[in-house]
Amino acid sequence: SQTIHQWPATLVQPVGSPLSLECTVEGTSNPNLYWYRQAAGRGLQLLFYSVGIGQISSEVPQNLSASRPQDRQFILSSKKLLLSDSGFYLCAWSPTVQEVYGYTFGSGTRLTVV
Amino acid sequence: KNQVEQSPQSLIILEGKNCTLQCNYTVSPFSNLRWYKQDTGRGPVSLTIMTFSENTKSNGRYTATLDADTKQSSLHITASQLSDSASYICVVSAMDSSYKLIFGSGTRLLVRP
Repeated sequence: SQTIHQWPATLVQPVGSPLSLECTVEGTSNPNLYWYRQAAGRGLQLLFYSVGIGQISSEVPQNLSASRPQDRQFILSSKKLLLSDSGFYLCAWSPTVQEVYGYTFGSGTRLTVV
Repeated sequence: KNQVEQSPQSLIILEGKNCTLQCNYTVSPFSNLRWYKQDTGRGPVSLTIMTFSENTKSNGRYTATLDADTKQSSLHITASQLSDSASYICVVSAMDSSYKLIFGSGTRLLVRP
């Protein structure tokens, strides 16, 4: 069966420090991968999605970047964190073909920038 | 503009009672609608997924309905339990961009003993 792993679960970082959040999927190949951010009391906002290695699409201009160095690995990064980057970050994946029944989220990372 | 609106924003009910959450959408062309349950500090977990041709789908005590004509969906929770306390998110997918889900802001449900 397929599983998605996201870490760390919580992170407290000072303003101006770098960021690296990692997400990996097991049990499938060539998944579509996504990064979302959820502000407190708000809906999920799609930040990036990837349909293949090295292919990244950005949905909103921001201080963050994403990379997909391997088929089942998706990384969210920042060179210098801002206070406004605080939030709950979720990774998700879906199968390439049967997307309707396979959209699955990771457990999330709570990022607090201080 | 593709949008998903949910009501109420928050809801408090007593354990054992039933409740219904609403979702209205203006997504076109419609592909599918999902309901997710999100516990505090956790990722959303899928409850139901319905395509255009499906009117009702159940998952245990959760029953979702879909009216594609009026573009409305509801999630009915029967005999609520304390563990049902969570946010419930309605998510719609458009046929021309299946990668991208349109999220409602959720209904926060609190079940009290």
